[in-house]
Amino acid sequence: EPEVTQTPSHQVTQMGQEVILRCVPISNHLYFYWYRQILGQKVEFLVSFYNNEISEKSEIFDDQFSVERPDGSNFTLKIRSTKLEDSAMYFCASEGGQSTDTQYFGPGTRLTVL
Amino acid sequence: GENVEQHPSTLSVQEGDSAVIKCTYSDSASNYFPWYKQELGKGPQLIIDIRSNVGEKKDQRIAVTLNKTAKHFSLHITETQPEDSAVYFCAAINNDMRFGAGTRLTVKP
Repeated sequence: EPEVTQTPSHQVTQMGQEVILRCVPISNHLYFYWYRQILGQKVEFLVSFYNNEISEKSEIFDDQFSVERPDGSNFTLKIRSTKLEDSAMYFCASEGGQSTDTQYFGPGTRLTVL
Repeated sequence: GENVEQHPSTLSVQEGDSAVIKCTYSDSASNYFPWYKQELGKGPQLIIDIRSNVGEKKDQRIAVTLNKTAKHFSLHITETQPEDSAVYFCAAINNDMRFGAGTRLTVKP
């Protein structure tokens, strides 16, 4: 069964550094999402992406965040200058193909900002 | 924007009993309501969903009900098993997906 994959599984970085989190969505999907989950808290929507542009973003997704689909398979989230409070699990999800509305999540990247 | 409330935050049941988790939403335009199960260290996995034109949906031991008028929806798990132990999130979608705070379900053998 196709699945969403994410790399790395764990990223440790120093405050102020840039990080890029990578996702490979399910191949025939058209909609892509990033979510964040701070330890022990709810999953929070960050951004949705369709047709090579952002379609929705939350108040969390400020100027330090950006997303890109650099080729036909990858979908990336960049955090330009990390802060301590960016430490969280980041989940990518994709949607589309025969099953619209249903989002399939990747296993997540645990980001630790020191 | 949409606000999703979920209760209870923790739920402990004996194996074989039923478990019910309830959610309310605020945006009447929300039209799709998935439920996700999250096991430790993993991403949320869809277990069942319901669309706003349906009042109830069942898949083996799992069922979801939706009351559009009251803006609430519930997850029902019957004949619970220890492997059902996880955190369950409800969500509501209009333009973007908003999650409830999660319910940690523990099924005691």
